[in-house]
Amino acid sequence: EVQLVESGGVVVQPGGSLRLSCAASGFTFGDYTMHWVRQGPGKGLEWVSLVSWDGDTTYYLDSVKGRFTISRDNSKDSLYLQMNSLRTEDTAFYYCAKGKRGTYYDMLTLDYWGQGTLVTVSS
Amino acid sequence: QSALTQPPSASGSPGQSVTISCTGISSDVGGYNYVSWYQQRPGKAPKLMIYEVSKRPSGVPDRFSGSRSGNTASLTVSGLQAEDEADYYCSSHAGSKNLVFGGGTKLTVL
Repeated sequence: EVQLVESGGVVVQPGGSLRLSCAASGFTFGDYTMHWVRQGPGKGLEWVSLVSWDGDTTYYLDSVKGRFTISRDNSKDSLYLQMNSLRTEDTAFYYCAKGKRGTYYDMLTLDYWGQGTLVTVSS
Repeated sequence: QSALTQPPSASGSPGQSVTISCTGISSDVGGYNYVSWYQQRPGKAPKLMIYEVSKRPSGVPDRFSGSRSGNTASLTVSGLQAEDEADYYCSSHAGSKNLVFGGGTKLTVL
């Protein structure tokens, strides 16, 4: 059974930093593109970032470029999101999600999601 | 403001059919066969219901179907059941923006 478990969400002040983690199990983690998607309080889903199976290719939402860094450790079946220069508008549940295997386009289908971890940016 | 436009709400009685729309432009919904639909029940993680416009993952009831016409994709839920009450989100590849979502539609089973 595929499981994705996020952790690391806390309350942080504007301008602060935070690292989220996602522990994966139930599949060969190193074979798949992984994503972070966020959902602000009472709001819709917003794609944040993806990292290719080997960690060599990353993409970001424009508003987080230069502030967030996605990475992975395939030896630990883990995905990370380093978040710097946090803003109040970054407040959200952050979900880790697995992309389908295949082409770049296939990888944009998110077939399993974690339960999310809450990041609150507030003074 | 979300990249893809969905109606904020939809409703139907048990047994009826309801269709939720997702409108984009030619460089996202209309340009790629990579539209997905996700179901999110309150307090839960999203679940993939439809991918590549009309394909169903294993385990998703065939009451759920997807289609597209031009720049608008649609999710149809036939034979509505109480358990279908949830928020539904569409997504699409969007060129340099990679992946965009709709604002979500709250489906109420009356």
